[in-house]
Amino acid sequence: GAVVSQHPSWVICKSGTSVKIECRSLDFQATTMFWYRQFPKQSLMLMATSNEGSKATYEQGVEKDKFLINHASLTLSTLTVTSAHPEDSSFYICSARDLNGRAWIQYFGAGTRLSVL
Amino acid sequence: QKEVEQDPGPLSVPEGAIVSLNCTYSNSAFQYFMWYRQYSRKGPELLMYTYSSGNKEDGRFTAQVDKSSKYISLFIRDSQPSDSATYLCAITGNQFYFGTGTSLTVIP
Repeated sequence: GAVVSQHPSWVICKSGTSVKIECRSLDFQATTMFWYRQFPKQSLMLMATSNEGSKATYEQGVEKDKFLINHASLTLSTLTVTSAHPEDSSFYICSARDLNGRAWIQYFGAGTRLSVL
Repeated sequence: QKEVEQDPGPLSVPEGAIVSLNCTYSNSAFQYFMWYRQYSRKGPELLMYTYSSGNKEDGRFTAQVDKSSKYISLFIRDSQPSDSATYLCAITGNQFYFGTGTSLTVIP
């Protein structure tokens, strides 16, 4: 159980376009989801915490107008990278908490590799 | 002081070796302790979790928690090349705290 699906796994886009990444909890309800960014050979960097039905909480230094997060349902959160530029190229990972189960655990998606040309 | 400290490695061992991965933490109020494994270009997957001092075993993996020393370990017995990955410790209280990860390579 506790499966998190993230889509797409890899996206290539042109500079200036927007890209949407979806994160779904498949077999549990996730009132809280997290979005991370990871550079090669580096640790996870928390970007924002997404709460169902309310605005996301962004970490210091993360542009909320650049990285739009929507958590409209208990099983889906989306991250939209707006007007993407090459410096936004990175590995983005979402995770979710199962508040009806083991709420102390984060379950991760497989990640999305974004390449901006 | 960081909430969680983890030796980044890298760690390179021959196949069959016993591997010890370690983290220290600062807050004695932390309650839950987890280990994740992350393969290259994949999301972390949960390996083990525990919430009490002592050992918890799952196959070749043993998670150990020493709350008095604020020290957690993951032992891998009979390590295999497929164990080559980055291992992250994670600790939760009211918030989640992840270690920076230890890169492990098991050489055939």
